[in-house]
Amino acid sequence: DVKVTQSSRYLVKRTGEKVFLECVQDMDHENMFWYRQDPGLGLRLIYFSYDVKMKEKGDIPEGYSVSREKKERFSLILESASTNQTSMYLCASSPEGLAKNIQYFGAGTRLSVL
Amino acid sequence: AQRVTQPEKLLSVFKGAPVELKCNYSYSGSPELFWYVQYSRQRLQLLLRHISRESIKGFTADLNKGETSFHLKKPFAQEEDSAMYYCAPYAGNNRKLIWGLGTSLAVNP
Repeated sequence: DVKVTQSSRYLVKRTGEKVFLECVQDMDHENMFWYRQDPGLGLRLIYFSYDVKMKEKGDIPEGYSVSREKKERFSLILESASTNQTSMYLCASSPEGLAKNIQYFGAGTRLSVL
Repeated sequence: AQRVTQPEKLLSVFKGAPVELKCNYSYSGSPELFWYVQYSRQRLQLLLRHISRESIKGFTADLNKGETSFHLKKPFAQEEDSAMYYCAPYAGNNRKLIWGLGTSLAVNP
């Protein structure tokens, strides 16, 4: 079974703090994704990475950055957290090849910015 | 622009009734389409993909290229089917899926 693990289930941070959300996958997948999930807005892609040290902006990258130094780990960084970044954050991974469009998700991190 | 539309935010049916969750897409080319499901307090997971042509948990989905639709159907809904369902076409040769806004299915006893 593919395992995508997000380091925290719940996080509470203060406005202006730098926040790190970590995601690790154990299936040697090339592609990794960060989404935020908000009621009524579905899933919105923040950033994705198709290889180590490679990243591409998604639909809503503003206020976020990412880091992928190792294949199994993809970090989402909020440089200066704001209240409008309160959300559920989902990490996903997918392989290359025929199954490249099947994404496997972590359990999510619910971030509250006060 | 490539888009996917799930017209119903909420769908409520009784146990044993047929259910159809609608998905329409705009896509130029040969799309690959997926349905993902998120049960309460569980992670988002793949339910089915159109190229598999299989039935998962009693659900089927047929790609209708003429109507550009990929509706999810089940003849007899069960209470355990209550969940959020997302339709997600593949966006092209860039590894990304396009996500619908989701339909929350409530199956009442």
